[in-house]
Formats: sequence, C-alpha cells, structure tokens
Amino acid sequence: DAGITQSPRHKVTETGTPVTLRCHQTENHRYMYWYRQDPGHGLRLIHYSYGVKDTDKGEVSDGYSVSRSKTEDFLLTLESATSSQTSVYFCAISESGDSLDRDTEAFFGQGTRLTVV
Amino acid sequence: LAKTTQPISMDSYEGQEVNITCSHNNIATNDYITWYQQFPSQGPRFIIQGYKTKVTNEVASLFIPADRKSSTLSLPRVSLSDTAVYYCLVEGGADGLTFGKGTHLIIQP
Repeated sequence: DAGITQSPRHKVTETGTPVTLRCHQTENHRYMYWYRQDPGHGLRLIHYSYGVKDTDKGEVSDGYSVSRSKTEDFLLTLESATSSQTSVYFCAISESGDSLDRDTEAFFGQGTRLTVV
Repeated sequence: LAKTTQPISMDSYEGQEVNITCSHNNIATNDYITWYQQFPSQGPRFIIQGYKTKVTNEVASLFIPADRKSSTLSLPRVSLSDTAVYYCLVEGGADGLTFGKGTHLIIQP
C-alpha cells in the first residue's frame, strides 16, 4: 500500500471550533487531494495541491482552506466547523495529475470521520 | 455538467460477468478513462485505465469504442467480494480528479 496516513482517524468537535486534518505521505508524490464523502453524493473534491505552496479549489471548497508547506504534508482546515461539514474525509495522492504522463493512479488514505455537534 | 454518467446501482450473481457502462459525451482528446473501486469504510482504489480500444489486467477489462463517448468496465466471474462502488473518471489535465456518485454493484450468492 502507498505510504499515506491521515490523522486523526476520528474526531468529534463542536460547532464553531477550528479543525485541522492532516494528510502525510512518504511517496514524494507531487499531487495531493482532499475529498469529502457523504451518502448520496459520492466523492467530492474540496481542494488539491500540485506542489509545495501550490493549491487550487475543488467543487466544494467553501468553508475549507488548505496548506502545503512541504511535499509530504497537506493540511485541511475548517476555520469554524458547521454541522454540514460532518462527513468522511479522504486524502489522496498521485504522482501526476496529467493523464498524458500515464502515471495518474491515485492512492487514498483510510479516511477521517469528522462529526460536528 | 457532469463529466460522466453511470448507473446508480446494479445487481448480479456470483460467477457471472458484470459490465458497467459509463457515458462521457464531452471527453476531451487528452482525457484518459479510469475506473476505481471502493469498499465500505475504505478509500477508493485504482482498477484500470485506458485511452482507446481495449485494456485488460488481472482484475478487469475496459472497452472503449472508437468515439470514446462511453466505456465499459467488465468484471469476469464476479464473487461476493466484488460488491462495492465503482467510479468512472475521465481525466486529462491537472485540475483535480473528479469522482461522480459511482455505481453500487451488489453481488448475490
């Protein structure tokens, strides 16, 4: 399995509090992604990174920010958690985001279950 | 506009061949077609990827017609352990990997 670790694996927090989820990789892959998964919605992209300090928004980025200060870590922050952000969050990595490189297989972490009460 | 469209759910039986079709009418020249499998409480995992015609690996086959507006994932002789959600993606640029809602495949004894 690819070396990708999410922490924490489970978290319960109160509405209005800040929350940071961490994704750590040991594969030196360039691309990192944060997704959320909710019943009936499949996987939805929140933010992604294509290099250190290079990030971009996904389809559901409102209420989330990210940072990538080094290749191996990609942090997802909920500045003020809301109940609508209760979800399972997945981090993923890939060597290349460009299919022309034929190396775009993405590897996923085990997920973080976040509950906002 | 969704990049891909696939059935929400499918049922089959052990030992059967299962074909899941995905529509991607707006596929771009640079796009590849990739399929992922996801079991409950786990992240998705890569199954197969192709650009045109047919690709086969130890797990599945992927059939892509000449116009590339659709693709079919074929799982030979399924077992109960193939019960999962299957996602079809088209990807060509560095704009993130977009997953849809996937196809819930249920295999019965």
